[in-house]
Amino acid sequence: ETGVTQTPRHLVMGMTNKKSLKCEQHLGHNAMYWYKQSAKKPLELMFVYNFKEQTENNSVPSRFSPECPNSSHLFLHLHTLQPEDSALYLCASSQETDGSYEQYFGPGTRLTVT
Amino acid sequence: GQNIDQPTEMTATEGAIVQINCTYQTSGFNGLFWYQQHAGEAPTFLSYNVLDGLEEKGRFSSFLSRSKGYSYLLLKELQMKDSASYLCAVMDSNYQLIWGAGTKLIIKP
Repeated sequence: ETGVTQTPRHLVMGMTNKKSLKCEQHLGHNAMYWYKQSAKKPLELMFVYNFKEQTENNSVPSRFSPECPNSSHLFLHLHTLQPEDSALYLCASSQETDGSYEQYFGPGTRLTVT
Repeated sequence: GQNIDQPTEMTATEGAIVQINCTYQTSGFNGLFWYQQHAGEAPTFLSYNVLDGLEEKGRFSSFLSRSKGYSYLLLKELQMKDSASYLCAVMDSNYQLIWGAGTKLIIKP
C-alpha cells in the first residue's frame, strides 16, 4: 500500500469522450503531481499542486484540465483527446515540493484513446 | 537544455553485482533520486543524494559526483525480484524533478 490511490486503473475512451481520472493520497502530504509516462520515455511532469494551488503547468494542452479541491484529492479531466495521449498517467504526492522529499506514486491509470 | 542519460537496458546474473550509471546536465542541482519501477507498477523511492559520496542502504548503494554530473546505483547480491526499471531523477534549481528514461534491468538465473 503506497498511500496513493488512483481510479480507474484502466480507461479506454474515444476522441470525443469526456472522462476524469481521480487520485487520492492518505499521507498528509501538501503537494500533488500529475505525470505522463510513455514507453521508453522519461516521466513527463504535467501539473503540480502545492497546498491546493497550481504551481506548475508544463505547457500541457488544454484538453487536460486538472482540479485540486483539497490537499488530499487531485483530478485530471480529459476531453477531446488524441491517440498520442494514450499512456500511463501517474499521480504522486510529497510532503513539500522542494528539498529532499521523495515522491510517492499511485499505481497509475492506463489510458487508451481510440 | 536539461538532460538525464542512463543506459536503456542491462542484463546481470542472479547473485552478482550490477552498476547502473546516470549522467546529468541540469539548470542547478538540488539532489538526485533513484526510483525502482516493476513492470505495471508505480515507481518507488530507493535513494537520495545531495552531497558527493556513497550512500549505502542494504544491498543498494548510490554514489554522486556533482563536479562530474554523475551518479550510479549499485545493486549487490542480485535477486530475481530486482528485475525492474531503475529511474534516475535530478531536482533542478526550480525544485522540478528532471527524469531519465530509465534502465531496464534483466536478471538471469
